Amino acid sequence: AQSVTQLDSQVPVFEEAPVELRCNYSSSVSVYLFWYVQYPNQGLQLLLKYLSGSTLVKGINGFEAEFNKSQTSFHLRKPSVHISDTAEYFCAVSEGSNYQLIWGAGTKLIIKP
Amino acid sequence: EAGVAQSPRYKIIEKRQSVAFWCNPISGHATLYWYQQILGQGPKLLIQFQNNGVVDDSQLPKDRFSAERLKGVDSTLKIQPAKLEDSAVYLCASSLNRGVDGYTFGSGTRLTVV
Repeated sequence: AQSVTQLDSQVPVFEEAPVELRCNYSSSVSVYLFWYVQYPNQGLQLLLKYLSGSTLVKGINGFEAEFNKSQTSFHLRKPSVHISDTAEYFCAVSEGSNYQLIWGAGTKLIIKP
Repeated sequence: EAGVAQSPRYKIIEKRQSVAFWCNPISGHATLYWYQQILGQGPKLLIQFQNNGVVDDSQLPKDRFSAERLKGVDSTLKIQPAKLEDSAVYLCASSLNRGVDGYTFGSGTRLTVV
């Protein structure tokens, strides 16, 4: 069965520093990959997605992610974080004909002033 | 476009009581999902509808949870009777094309069972 691993439960980083949130998945077939963000007391918002084509995907709020098929990874990056990026970030993989999402456990991004 | 609407935003009930959540998806979105998100965890799919038919309810605790989407638009999720472990955020999401392009989520209903 498909699984998604987010290697860090929390990532503290100073404001204006770069950040990388890691995501690995297990699959031997083609997948669709997503990153969602959840701000406190809110629902989940789509940050970016990889369906096909270029392996570097750009999303909202200055985030980008790179699909690496050989390493089965889809790490999320931002060159300079802002206090408003404080949130929990979820990686998800779509599988099957129903395109159901398999979710990682989430990574809390903590911005230090 | 209007987003996915959910109500209520918060609900506190005693164990063994019943509760219902309502969701209005984005207009034209045929696929609707209910998720349960326990604090500190990722979302867990409870049920997926395609129009008014159930696609997957394998993780829905059917002895106490029920859901319906009678006209293929709005949906309700009910819990009866509630248990302490049902305390969670219940998220509704919808998608245009079975989720190929991702889902749009509502703000959720935070349920506390005391």
